[in-house]
Parts: sequence; structure tokens; C-alpha cells
Amino acid sequence: DGGITQSPKYLFRKEGQNVTLSCEQNLNHDAMYWYRQDPGQGLRLIYYSQIVNDFQKGDIAEGYSVSREKKESFPLTVTSAQKNPTAFYLCASSIRTAAYDYGYTFGSGTRLTVV
Amino acid sequence: SQKIEQNSEALNIQEGKTATLTCNYTNYSPAYLQWYRQDPGRGPVFLLLIRENEKEKRKERLKVTFDTTLKQSLFHITASQPADSATYLCALQGSARQLTFGSGTQLTVLP
Repeated sequence: DGGITQSPKYLFRKEGQNVTLSCEQNLNHDAMYWYRQDPGQGLRLIYYSQIVNDFQKGDIAEGYSVSREKKESFPLTVTSAQKNPTAFYLCASSIRTAAYDYGYTFGSGTRLTVV
Repeated sequence: SQKIEQNSEALNIQEGKTATLTCNYTNYSPAYLQWYRQDPGRGPVFLLLIRENEKEKRKERLKVTFDTTLKQSLFHITASQPADSATYLCALQGSARQLTFGSGTQLTVLP
């Protein structure tokens, strides 16, 4: 079955540590996205990528980094510069046309906690 | 600034009734609007997309309307069931091409 796989499901980070969240899709989608969700809030866009080797900052990119070396993969690194990283992180992908995107397919999320 | 508001954080209805959820937006000229369902601890699941030149879209028990004059979308679930209990998110694509999400409405269907 096609879909998006995020790993790990739960992740604990110590102060000052960088951690990387994995996101893999086998849907052959061009575009991939990372969102952050905090309790009672909507999803906020961190980074997105429309094609391999290209990505753009979203609304809250500070303290995060990404890479897009393969179409299938879009890992997110939460750096020590991110002051409040505890949140639920969601990866998504979509087909893009010249006019608009189709519905996004989301992974099951990674819950990151700072200890 | 651009803003998306979904009516009340929580909505309780009786099984069999129609649930109506509201999404209002300001300072947007969206090309289209999407609705998603999210269960606790899971990623959102895409339900419906409606374009700016469409007034209404239906899928099984779901119906979405889109009024660009009122800057509002209504999401209806007819003959609601306890299994419909979840958080429903609306999302808009604006000129920047990125989807922006509302904070969601938590729907509980009581048996």
C-alpha cells in the first residue's frame, strides 16, 4: 500500500541535542511538507519541498533544517537552536499542478519531547 | 493579517442529527479550501476539496459549501454516527500556494 511513513513514533531529546525525524513516501508525490502541531492549535508549516534538492522555509523554520536528496525522503532535523521543540510533528506529501495542490497525505506523526 | 477561524473548539450532537461545522477566514483570497479529519494521536486524513468557483461539493454523507463573498465554508455530516467523532480541520490555499490550517473543531456524536 502507498503511504507516508514517519519514524520514530516517539522521540525524547535532551537539552542541546540535535535530533532527526524521518519521513518516507512511496506515493511518487513531488511535494513534501513538515508541520508542527501544538495542543489546541492548528498545524504550522515548518518547511516544504516541491522538487528534489530544493526546499523553502515555512512560517516557523527557525531552529529546524531539512534536506531533499531523494524524491521519497524528506528528513527534518530539530536543532538545539529550537527553544521549544516539544510538539507533534507531521510530514505530508501531495501532487502539485500548475494551479493548485491536491489533498495532502499525512504520516502518523512523531511526538517529540524534551527531557 | 490572514486568519482562519473554526467555530467553537467543541461541538456535541446527538446520533442521527446533522453536524454543521464552520470555517471563516479573513484577508485571504483562497483558490480552494480543504477539510480534514484528525483522530487523537494520528495524522489528518483528507476528506474533501472545493474550489473557489464551486458552491457545493458532496461525498457520501459529507457536504461542503464555499461562499467567497461571506468568506466562509460550511461542512456538514448528515446522519451522524459516534464513529464520526473526531477533530475536523479546514485548510486554505492562498496566493503563496501553501496550505494554512485552522485550529479545528472537536466533534462528539453522542449515542
